[in-house]
Amino acid sequence: DTEVTQTPKHLVMGMTNKKSLKCEQHMGHRAMYWYKQKAKKPPELMFVYSYEKLSINESVPSRFSPECPNSSLLNLHLHALQPEDSALYLCASSQVQQETQYFGPGTRLLVL
Amino acid sequence: GESVGLHLPTLSVQEGDNSIINCAYSNSASDYFIWYKQESGKGPQFIIDIRSNMDKRQGQRVTVLLNKTVKHLSLQIAATQPGDSAVYFCAERDYGQNFVFGPGTRLSVLP
Repeated sequence: DTEVTQTPKHLVMGMTNKKSLKCEQHMGHRAMYWYKQKAKKPPELMFVYSYEKLSINESVPSRFSPECPNSSLLNLHLHALQPEDSALYLCASSQVQQETQYFGPGTRLLVL
Repeated sequence: GESVGLHLPTLSVQEGDNSIINCAYSNSASDYFIWYKQESGKGPQFIIDIRSNMDKRQGQRVTVLLNKTVKHLSLQIAATQPGDSAVYFCAERDYGQNFVFGPGTRLSVLP
């Protein structure tokens, strides 16, 4: 299994909603990542988990809250988002941090 | 030809021709480089990588060239096909740091 899966594929939420994005990989990778990608821009790193511990938080607002329940799963909890948070949210994993990253298909988020 | 402006740089090539996508990187200490392909509505897909102790690496229909003197990376695609149409990102890594992505180039394959 060489795949990173993400759910849901699409999400529309209001600014008062709470929702979660999910990511899963079964490649035995010990590093997992969340990226945000706006249209026509490269992915921007948000968070890195290494061996289930938060390793990097790239000054992301607290309305985004990551969670790594185990080595295969990564969640991104969303609360009180703003319309400018609308973007494609990508999950990636790598064997260990800073090695080749493999991306999931992303969740397209629209905040109204 | 190639155009750069307010929009994503675009390279247009005829089907069957070879494509060359360029990337200038910023950090002379970067030791590992990856090319990703991102099709519309999908996540980036790993294509090929190269470490700084090499200057060329070949895959199936793709070749990556690394020129450390001028900090330049290129991706060559042989016999470009419609399925190659996508945005291509280079990513560089300084040892001990995370990857930094380039701005991307849109490849458009003309019939």
